[in-house]
Amino acid sequence: AQSVTQLDSQVPVFEEAPVELRCNYSSSVSVYLFWYVQYPNQGLQLLLKYLSGSTLVKGINGFEAEFNKSQTSFHLRKPSVHISDTAEYFCAVSAGGYQKVTFGTGTKLQVIP
Amino acid sequence: DTGVSQDPRHKITKRGQNVTFRCDPISEHNRLYWYRQTLGQGPEFLTYFQNEAQLEKSRLLSDRFSAERPKGSFSTLEIQRTEQGDSAMYLCASSPGTSGGSAADTQYFGPGTRLTVL
Repeated sequence: AQSVTQLDSQVPVFEEAPVELRCNYSSSVSVYLFWYVQYPNQGLQLLLKYLSGSTLVKGINGFEAEFNKSQTSFHLRKPSVHISDTAEYFCAVSAGGYQKVTFGTGTKLQVIP
Repeated sequence: DTGVSQDPRHKITKRGQNVTFRCDPISEHNRLYWYRQTLGQGPEFLTYFQNEAQLEKSRLLSDRFSAERPKGSFSTLEIQRTEQGDSAMYLCASSPGTSGGSAADTQYFGPGTRLTVL
């Protein structure tokens, strides 16, 4: 079985400050990892995904995430946030060979002007 | 590419009534997924189609739930004898199915159908 933990339900941050959204996963097999963003009244949109190779993954809108196998983490970072980054962010895991994607409970990022 | 569409966007019904939701995936995407999202939670997997074949169902899907994708294009999710606990956002996603393992597929989500059961 696979699971995802997003410890922070809400993260307030001032505009132009850096941000890190934490994600930890558990799985008995190799995994694929994803970060999705959900803007108000919109569907989920993929930010980035880790399948294999380089552990640093760059995504859209200046976001990046680092896969750390020893710590079973996949934290999302952005060096300088913008008001438009205010949204809910979901970490997700999918185990190889399975179709099922398991999502975390989400982290609401609130960018303060 | 017009994205994944879902209809209706909102549905209010009385307990005990049946409801049906429709999802139109991105054209030529052969994989289609249904999720349920309740307040404060992430999307929970319900079921998955590869073309018209329903390949996996979650234990969340009770006997009152049924999903179809008759021609491998659009899909419907029906809930019979709705209960207040069914109130949630129902999300549909599709993926191209080009990745061999498919677990690596990027899923493209629709805007969801919000169900309220009174």
